[in-house]
Amino acid sequence: DAKTTQPNSMESNEEEPVHLPCNHSTISGTDYIHWYRQLPSQGPEYVIHGLTSNVNNRMASLAIAEDRKSSTLILHRATLRDAAVYYCIQSEGNTPLVFGKGTRLSVIA
Amino acid sequence: KAGVTQTPRYLIKTRGQQVTLSCSPISGHRSVSWYQQTPGQGLQFLFEYFSETQRNKGNFPGRFSGRQFSNSRSEMNVSTLELGDSALYLCASSSMPRLLVYGYTFGSGTRLTVV
Repeated sequence: DAKTTQPNSMESNEEEPVHLPCNHSTISGTDYIHWYRQLPSQGPEYVIHGLTSNVNNRMASLAIAEDRKSSTLILHRATLRDAAVYYCIQSEGNTPLVFGKGTRLSVIA
Repeated sequence: KAGVTQTPRYLIKTRGQQVTLSCSPISGHRSVSWYQQTPGQGLQFLFEYFSETQRNKGNFPGRFSGRQFSNSRSEMNVSTLELGDSALYLCASSSMPRLLVYGYTFGSGTRLTVV
């Protein structure tokens, strides 16, 4: 079973920042936080991952709470192409990813 | 750089038949994982192969099997198909052990419909 909790859906206006929350209260010291997203009619796509420190890449930023029990995926400027289901996954380094239901993000023009 | 290629894209089978799905990972990737996605259960892990060896297996009946070839291409087989096997089957490849650098790359999936 998935170990993370995410809101079922969120809505954002185009060109505004989006903060997608994720709770992972059972996280252990060796668990990573991974984010993937799935656009309509496509397979999931890797977004970002982190262990303890905040992470940035060309797609997004990942802010991890100090106690590591929660994290936030930040899309700095939402576009219509960012409308997707976003999955937050807690797992050890090389173990299979267990997907939950994710958060369906809608972007309004 | 070619992505993960899954064939066929769509498939219709009759209950009781068997089916084989194919996945070609990104060149140089030696790890292949398979997932089943349905509206009710979401994405569920089936199995993972690395260098022709099954490393992990999900909670699916023995009708679901897989294998990986020396060129890292993978196939999964479902025997005695049931209506509930209708789903999108996704393959993901990774450059294990550098999974944490690049993550998984998923294919677009094979849509299997059992009638």
